Amino acid sequence: EADIYQTPRYLVIGTGKKITLECSQTMGHDKMYWYQQDPGMELHLIHYSYGVNSTEKGDLSSESTVSRIRTEHFPLTLESARPSHTSQYLCASSHPAAETQYFGPGTRLLVL
Amino acid sequence: KNQVEQSPQSLIILEGKNCTLQCNYTVSPFSNLRWYKQDTGRGPVSLTIMTFSENTKSNGRYTATLDADTKQSSLHITASQLSDSASYICVVSDRGSTLGRLYFGRGTQLTVWP
Repeated sequence: EADIYQTPRYLVIGTGKKITLECSQTMGHDKMYWYQQDPGMELHLIHYSYGVNSTEKGDLSSESTVSRIRTEHFPLTLESARPSHTSQYLCASSHPAAETQYFGPGTRLLVL
Repeated sequence: KNQVEQSPQSLIILEGKNCTLQCNYTVSPFSNLRWYKQDTGRGPVSLTIMTFSENTKSNGRYTATLDADTKQSSLHITASQLSDSASYICVVSDRGSTLGRLYFGRGTQLTVWP
């Protein structure tokens, strides 16, 4: 069982609200990732980080932003939520020397 | 175009039976292939990882095979249990990126009935 946590697990919010999805890991991993997954579909990488003060956009364009001020923390922020942002958001981390990613339990976001 | 295709899309089997899930990929260059299990509402959990030189890898009742020549992999589940009900995702990594770029399949949704 990986030590990677996400909060909240479920979030229902109105259009236009600002939200922050939290992700933290206690494994000391440098690499962290955010994925977006719709039901029955593959995971899409939206952000990743090599370490502190490093953030990069992934393959899928996203209106969200991320920050990496501490190794263990990689929050994702949506400044103004829209119904099109409704999805499941998965956070993951990995050790630089290994490629296996450990995933958090995910946050299911519903924007009304 | 680098892709990962999985079949079947969904599968229903009775408890105690065996099943095999398929994964075909076009990712090149190839680094490794993983199978993940994703329970409903949870994040994926790694089951097996295989590199180019490995043909088979087992993890309990899960056995993965890899044919790097035909770019095919399979995941065989023996004596299925109700707890095996989940989505099984094939993930292929290329070695062309320091990030270890991952290509995800859409998964096979397995349902085990009592």
